[in-house]
Amino acid sequence: SQTIHQWPATLVQPVGSPLSLECTVEGTSNPNLYWYRQAAGRGLQLLFYSVGIGQISSEVPQNLSASRPQDRQFILSSKKLLLSDSGFYLCAWSSGGWGRELFFGEGSRLTVL
Amino acid sequence: AQSVTQLGSHVSVSEGALVLLRCNYSSSVPPYLFWYVQYPNQGLQLLLKYTSAATLVKGINGFEAEFKKSETSFHLTKPSAHMSDAAEYFCAVSDGNQAGTALIFGKGTTLSVSS
Repeated sequence: SQTIHQWPATLVQPVGSPLSLECTVEGTSNPNLYWYRQAAGRGLQLLFYSVGIGQISSEVPQNLSASRPQDRQFILSSKKLLLSDSGFYLCAWSSGGWGRELFFGEGSRLTVL
Repeated sequence: AQSVTQLGSHVSVSEGALVLLRCNYSSSVPPYLFWYVQYPNQGLQLLLKYTSAATLVKGINGFEAEFKKSETSFHLTKPSAHMSDAAEYFCAVSDGNQAGTALIFGKGTTLSVSS
C-alpha cells in the first residue's frame, strides 16, 4: 500500500532563518506531488506541484521554493522565513490524471517568531 | 476557472441529529468533486468523491453527498451525528486546467457535535 511521510511535524523558527520541510511517498512510482499551506479560516492554498523529477510549478509568488530531487521526494524550502510563512503545511500525492483524489501527509506546523 | 464555496464556516448539531454541510461549485467543465475530513493537527482524509458515475455518492463513516447539477451543489449529509464526527470538512473540485490536476479547496466548515 502507498504511504506518505512528512517531517518535521512541528517547527518553531525565528524570522530570517532557513526552512526545509521534507515529504516522501512509498509504494508508488511517478506520483504527482503537491505542497499546500493551510491558514486558519482560509482553506488550503496550493503552493507548488510537480509531475516529475525536477519539474516544479509554482502557484503563488512568495519566498518559498520547492524541489523534487528524486521521484518520490518533495522538499519545501526557504532561505529567509517571514512571519507570514507561519501555517500548517501539507504534502500530498496523486496518481495523476484529471479527477484523481489526493492523499495527504500528516502535515508540518511551522511557527515563525 | 473551477471553484467551490462552502456555506457556513461553523455548523453545530446535537448527537443523533442530521448533519448537513453545504458546498456549491463553479466549473466550466463537468466537475470531479470531493469531500475531505480533517481532525485537529492531522492531514486530510478522503470521505467521498463524485466522478459522474452516480449522483448519490456514499462515503466512509456513514456520510453521503448528492450531486445536483441544476443547483451546482454537492452537499454532504449524515443521518445521525456522532461525537467522533466533530472535525473540519473541506469540499474540493479538480482543476482540470492544470497539468498537475491539483484540487481546489473551499475554506472549510467546522462541525461541532454536542451530547
